[in-house]
Amino acid sequence: GAGVSQSPSNKVTEKGKDVELRCDPISGHTALYWYRQSLGQGLEFLIYFQGNSAPDKSGLPSDRFSAERTGGSVSTLTIQRTQQEDSAVYLCASSLALGEGQYGYTFGSGTRLTVV
Amino acid sequence: KNQVEQSPQSLIILEGKNCTLQCNYTVSPFSNLRWYKQDTGRGPVSLTIMTFSENTKSNGRYTATLDADTKQSSLHITASQLSDSASYICVVGRGGSQGNLIFGKGTKLSVKP
Repeated sequence: GAGVSQSPSNKVTEKGKDVELRCDPISGHTALYWYRQSLGQGLEFLIYFQGNSAPDKSGLPSDRFSAERTGGSVSTLTIQRTQQEDSAVYLCASSLALGEGQYGYTFGSGTRLTVV
Repeated sequence: KNQVEQSPQSLIILEGKNCTLQCNYTVSPFSNLRWYKQDTGRGPVSLTIMTFSENTKSNGRYTATLDADTKQSSLHITASQLSDSASYICVVGRGGSQGNLIFGKGTKLSVKP
């Protein structure tokens, strides 16, 4: 597609429920990133996929968070047993592989998650 | 500790005026510095990317500077327009790990008519 597509754009869920957030990166972008943006805070790195390499999961805040990327394209971020502190905007970005600093990241519009 | 600090936190200016946003960082090892514009309800959009050897980069009415010695960057907006109202985020990339970007909290700019 022309840009990074995320769905849903808004999600309200009850505490304790599981949620799945979807990211469809730009075609041909082998690198995919998930970030979380809490109100009044900077973006927080969650997880990074690069091609077929093992993902960098160092930013995931707890074992309730997981992500997968099927076929090197679409990615799903899953949050199990959601808590109120999980409420945030979850942003996905993609970029061309390699050349850190040479390529910009293209961000999606995010999924606003509200846990009630 | 790797940190990116931005100032001011928010700024209100009149249409047509210029403004400068500041970014100070303590990130090591340094790879690059980016400025993003984030409209309300949208994802960040890249404005400029600078590596260690670059000290200025322009994108239309946006000009970013980088002083790697003092670890400071600025984003200057010339002849502001109402559409410039957004959050401007300074992001520093760490060398050695492609997934490792340190984000500032942003400066919220409001341009008034």
